[in-house]
Amino acid sequence: DAGVTQSPTHLIKTRGQQVTLRCSPKSGHDTVSWYQQALGQGPQFIFQYYEEEERQRGNFPDRFSGHQFPNYSSELNVNALLLGDSALYLCASSLVSLYGYTFGSGTRLTVV
Amino acid sequence: QKEVEQDPGPLSVPEGAIVSLNCTYSNSAFQYFMWYRQYSRKGPELLMYTYSSGNKEDGRFTAQVDKSSKYISLFIRDSQPSDSATYLCAMSEAGNTPLVFGKGTRLSVIA
Repeated sequence: DAGVTQSPTHLIKTRGQQVTLRCSPKSGHDTVSWYQQALGQGPQFIFQYYEEEERQRGNFPDRFSGHQFPNYSSELNVNALLLGDSALYLCASSLVSLYGYTFGSGTRLTVV
Repeated sequence: QKEVEQDPGPLSVPEGAIVSLNCTYSNSAFQYFMWYRQYSRKGPELLMYTYSSGNKEDGRFTAQVDKSSKYISLFIRDSQPSDSATYLCAMSEAGNTPLVFGKGTRLSVIA
């Protein structure tokens, strides 16, 4: 049974560019949350998607946007990249009716 | 003051030692308390999960929550080199509400 799958594993982008990260949730899960983990810090909540809608959002600017598809997979988009956006981006899936998150291994984004 | 405070360490102990990790928090609405283990370049892996106050034991791991003091702990008995990782505490107010993490404590268990 596959857990949470994220792609790509690593990528390097230039300041000002746009990036799309992808997440496939654990089988049976219907909710996807995204977190940003800067080096040496704990993960910070970006937003959560359920039923293809953004349900909750953390303290991140509008440059961060997302989408959830009918098969529950999700994308995180970041526009106008800044050097400070360099981080590990984690996707976590869950079932709305039960407590418990499963995290993927993350996408490491480097902005140069 | 951050919502969740955790000493980042690093913490280095000999194999077989008892390890104590802890976090304090300020939001009295937190009801769910978790400990995650994160190996280098990997995502967090859930170790222990506690609802409200009390103790929970799972093998070599014991989690304690004291809501009156806003203090949670994780104890690791008979620590092994394979326990070397970063340990993150996390909390949330309700089911499927966002997790608030501490900075993580980096632990090294020396053989």
